[in-house]
Amino acid sequence: DIQMTQSPSSLSASVGDRVTVSCRASQGITTFLAWYQQKPGKVPRLLIYAASTLQPGVPSRFSGSGSGTEFTLTISSLQPEDVATYYCQKYDSAPRTFGQGTKVEI
Amino acid sequence: EVQLVESGGGLAQPGRSLRLSCTTSGFTFDVYAVSWVRQAPGKGLEWLGFIRSKAYSATTEYAASVRGRFTISRDDSKSIAYLQMNSLKTEDTAVYYCTRDQRYSYGHYYYYYMDVWGKGTTVTVSS
Repeated sequence: DIQMTQSPSSLSASVGDRVTVSCRASQGITTFLAWYQQKPGKVPRLLIYAASTLQPGVPSRFSGSGSGTEFTLTISSLQPEDVATYYCQKYDSAPRTFGQGTKVEI
Repeated sequence: EVQLVESGGGLAQPGRSLRLSCTTSGFTFDVYAVSWVRQAPGKGLEWLGFIRSKAYSATTEYAASVRGRFTISRDDSKSIAYLQMNSLKTEDTAVYYCTRDQRYSYGHYYYYYMDVWGKGTTVTVSS
């Protein structure tokens, strides 16, 4: 099975900073990658699918890029409400494995 | 408004069974696939499996960790998906979420990602 590895596991940044989260697949998955945000005590929420397509309603400060095995989630200007754990997930085939998560703090 | 509501969670003894329901509203259930995802206390997300729509024969796929113990099914007449969990283990303790799966084509195949999540139901497996 393809493994998904996120880095870093956690990060702390200041309001207004540009934040990047990386996700690496152990084999190529084209662009079949989604990013989810889970705020503390809340349900996960879809941010991005197809590696770079923003889900309607998601702020434009979020963006995704990459293909093959290397993917990036970028928050262009970190806001207090972005404190959350972010997960990547592959969906090229079953199992649709998640990365282990990246906790973003202010 | 699109909604998915999980129910059926609770306390179960190891080795016993539990069936979770995912009751949906606000969308045409029978054309969508549904996934189940769980999250153990303090841990990350684990995809468990999904069921395609009847148009794709309602076929299922599972994670290796639950294949053979868990079964996903659907009742399109009621807009409900189910997760039957047998031979429960203490490590099955988690919050269980159902999700609506969006489908799109690429080349000759279809691909699914999860766009709407329910609020989850808690399953505790303990003697």
